[in-house]
Amino acid sequence: GQNIDQPTEMTATEGAIVQINCTYQTSGFNGLFWYQQHAGEAPTFLSYNVLDGLEEKGRFSSFLSRSKGYSYLLLKELQMKDSASYLCAVRDADNAGNMLTFGGGTRLMVKP
Amino acid sequence: NAGVTQTPKFRVLKTGQSMTLLCAQDMNHEYMYWYRQDPGMGLRLIHYSVGEGTTAKGEVPDGYNVSRLKKQNFLLGLESAAPSQTSVYFCASSLGTDEQYFGPGTRLTVT
Repeated sequence: GQNIDQPTEMTATEGAIVQINCTYQTSGFNGLFWYQQHAGEAPTFLSYNVLDGLEEKGRFSSFLSRSKGYSYLLLKELQMKDSASYLCAVRDADNAGNMLTFGGGTRLMVKP
Repeated sequence: NAGVTQTPKFRVLKTGQSMTLLCAQDMNHEYMYWYRQDPGMGLRLIHYSVGEGTTAKGEVPDGYNVSRLKKQNFLLGLESAAPSQTSVYFCASSLGTDEQYFGPGTRLTVT
């Protein structure tokens, strides 16, 4: 089984940097995804990590440490439109169906 | 290219009624999924399919049935709705083990 933890809410200031953490305990591991979800909308894919290290994509970066069961999503130069929920999801190793287990999501509020 | 679409967008049911939610994708994806999302609990997988004619149970399958008769469609059925099934339902699809693409969701209320 999987257990995924992330903070419920965070607040940050426009133009700043924010780091959203995700920790997981799994019986097996085959990748970690980050999704963004604006209120009332569908989740959209942000990043994928399967090896240790940092993946950078524009203002967003995601880091993974498999030995520590830990990931973070880093958002730079925050904009008001970044106010959303950020969902961490883990794929199990023994998983022919590409099933993901999601954390509860972190609601980020960006203030002027 | 519409991506993943869901119908209906909203629905109110009385306890014991039945309904079917339709998901359609035009990306030729093999894999399709049904999730429910409840406050504070994140997305939970109900059922999924790895190809036309195949379905499998996810984390919370009780009270739901699914069918995948055509590759582009994935139907979720509630045979006898209960208030505990009040939720937002999301369909998703993926090309194998790549990222999942989500539909806009169906907001279901069971009274």
